[in-house]
Amino acid sequence: EADIYQTPRYLVIGTGKKITLECSQTMGHDKMYWYQQDPGMELHLIHYSYGVNSTEKGDLSSESTVSRIRTEHFPLTLESARPSHTSQYLCASSATGYNYGYTFGSGTRLTVV
Amino acid sequence: SQQGEEDPQALSIQEGENATMNCSYKTSINNLQWYRQNSGRGLVHLILIRSNEREKHSGRLRVTLDTSKKSSSLLITASRAADTASYFCATDWGNSGGGADGLTFGKGTHLIIQP
Repeated sequence: EADIYQTPRYLVIGTGKKITLECSQTMGHDKMYWYQQDPGMELHLIHYSYGVNSTEKGDLSSESTVSRIRTEHFPLTLESARPSHTSQYLCASSATGYNYGYTFGSGTRLTVV
Repeated sequence: SQQGEEDPQALSIQEGENATMNCSYKTSINNLQWYRQNSGRGLVHLILIRSNEREKHSGRLRVTLDTSKKSSSLLITASRAADTASYFCATDWGNSGGGADGLTFGKGTHLIIQP
C-alpha cells in the first residue's frame, strides 16, 4: 500500500489555468522530490526539498513552483498551464542521509489542451 | 549529463528465462539503485548497491556494480509475466558536483516477458 499519495491521478485542463498537483507522504521523510517524465523517457528532477521551508530547483528548468509548509505535504503549482506542460509528474520522498531508496507516488498525468 | 544509460532499450524473453539489463554512468557515485515502473505509473524501488559493494541479491534479483568501469547490471532470474515493466537505474552522486541533490535516472529498459 502506497505511503505517498498524489492527486489527481489524471488531469485535463485548458491553457492558462492555474493548477496545483498534490503530494502527501505519511513516512515522516524530510526529503521530497518532484520529477517530470514524458512517455517512455527518463525522469527529470524539477524540484526538491530537504525539509520544512526548504525548496530547491532541480536540473530541469521548470515554470512550476513548490512549497513545503508541512513535512508531509509538497504541492506543485503551475500558475498558467500551457500545452508544453503536458507530461507525467511524479512525487517521491526519502529518508535523510545516503543509501536510502525513494518511495514514489503513482503520478499525475497532466494534459493541457 | 551525469545520468545513467541502460542497455538494451528493450528486451523480450520467454517466461522462465533470465533477463539481464546493464547500466553505465559517468561520475563517482554514492550508490546506484534500480527501480521498476509498470505502465507509466510510479516507480518501485527494487535494490540499492553502495559504491563499496560489488554484488547484492534480493530474491530473484542480482545486482553487480563495477565502479572502475562505471557500470552495473541487473539480473532477474526465472522471469515471470508479472516482471513485464520498465526498469531504470538511478545514480546517487549527491550534490558534490554543484548540481541538484537527487537521483539521476536513465531512460530505462523495457522488459517484456512472453508467457
